[in-house]
Amino acid sequence: DTEVTQTPKHLVMGMTNKKSLKCEQHMGHRAMYWYKQKAKKPPELMFVYSYEKLSINESVPSRFSPECPNSSLLNLHLHALQPEDSALYLCASSQVAGLVEQYFGPGTRLTVT
Amino acid sequence: LAKTTQPISMDSYEGQEVNITCSHNNIATNDYITWYQQFPSQGPRFIIQGYKTKVTNEVASLFIPADRKSSTLSLPRVSLSDTAVYYCLVGDMSGSYIPTFGRGTSLIVHP
Repeated sequence: DTEVTQTPKHLVMGMTNKKSLKCEQHMGHRAMYWYKQKAKKPPELMFVYSYEKLSINESVPSRFSPECPNSSLLNLHLHALQPEDSALYLCASSQVAGLVEQYFGPGTRLTVT
Repeated sequence: LAKTTQPISMDSYEGQEVNITCSHNNIATNDYITWYQQFPSQGPRFIIQGYKTKVTNEVASLFIPADRKSSTLSLPRVSLSDTAVYYCLVGDMSGSYIPTFGRGTSLIVHP
């Protein structure tokens, strides 16, 4: 199974809402990532978890809160987002952290109203 | 962190070979070169990775000259389904590497 799943596929939320994005992989990978991608732009790294510990936070605003409950799951908790946070949020995993093959999920299309 | 430069866009026709070049003048000794493909509204997909000379798999070939300051992704006999954005990444295998996608090359394959 080389699949990374993400739920939900689409999410519309207001600026006062709290929501969560979920990501799951069962490849035994020990590194998991969150990326944000705006239209016609490249993916931008947000967070890296290595062995379930946050190893890289690319100066992401605190309204985005990642969580790695176990080696297969990665969540991104959202609170008090702004309309400019609307984007495609991509989750990825790899065997270990580093420039190694990453497996990406299909993403969650987030719209903040 | 090695910066990469790629053409913004390329056009080709079905059946042709497409070569996309990536410049990475300040590549470090421990750095590898990796290419990803991304279709609209999908996550990127790993294509190929190399360190030097030539690497080939069932999808593409990657040519890296001796000075490693550039690399070329070669797609043989492209089809319409190869229309996508192609990203070149450069970095090492350490856990502190920060994956950085550049602007990528938008390839359009015409019938």
